[in-house]
Amino acid sequence: QKEVEQNSGPLSVPEGAIASLNCTYSDRVSQSFFWYRQYSGKSPELIMSIYSNGDKEDGRFTAQLNKASQYVSLLIRDSQPSDSATYLCAVTTRQGNLIFGKGTKLSVKP
Amino acid sequence: GAGVSQSPSNKVTEKGKDVELRCDPISGHTALYWYRQSLGQGLEFLIYFQGNSAPDKSGLPSDRFSAERTGGSVSTLTIQRTQQEDSAVYLCASSLEVTRGRPQPQHFGDGTRLSIL
Repeated sequence: QKEVEQNSGPLSVPEGAIASLNCTYSDRVSQSFFWYRQYSGKSPELIMSIYSNGDKEDGRFTAQLNKASQYVSLLIRDSQPSDSATYLCAVTTRQGNLIFGKGTKLSVKP
Repeated sequence: GAGVSQSPSNKVTEKGKDVELRCDPISGHTALYWYRQSLGQGLEFLIYFQGNSAPDKSGLPSDRFSAERTGGSVSTLTIQRTQQEDSAVYLCASSLEVTRGRPQPQHFGDGTRLSIL
């Protein structure tokens, strides 16, 4: 059974701090990794994709991938209350579809 | 350009009735996916289309669920003899063609909120 594991949270950080969200996956064949943000009552929104080991930065977001450890993370710098949402980690399968983790709920306190 | 469009946005129906949900993907996207999300839960994969064919139907929860896609565009998800446990938000996503080298990011519609009374 291929799985994607995330800490459900809630993860609470003060405004301006760095939020660190973690994800592990079981299928070593997975090649592509995505982070989605989902506000309550809304559909998931793609915020980051990463395909190679190392770091990828986009604005306040940094995705980190370690395929040897089967670990992917998302860092949010200078966290804002508007970042409060559930963050979903998604990993591709051999067939090309995505397996999603159950998500980590982030709360940024003003 | 237009995003993924789903209809209806809300559907309330009685137990035992059939329902049909529609998804219109982003123009040019050949891959289409259906997911289900129950209240407070993660996304549950249902089925994936590449063009009109469905390489992976493994997520369909029972034979009451079926999906089709014609013309490589619009897809319909049909649930027959609905049960209360079918109540959920049904999300559709689309992406550019999936290749071995680089699966493409998926973009989601707003979903259909299905309530079975």
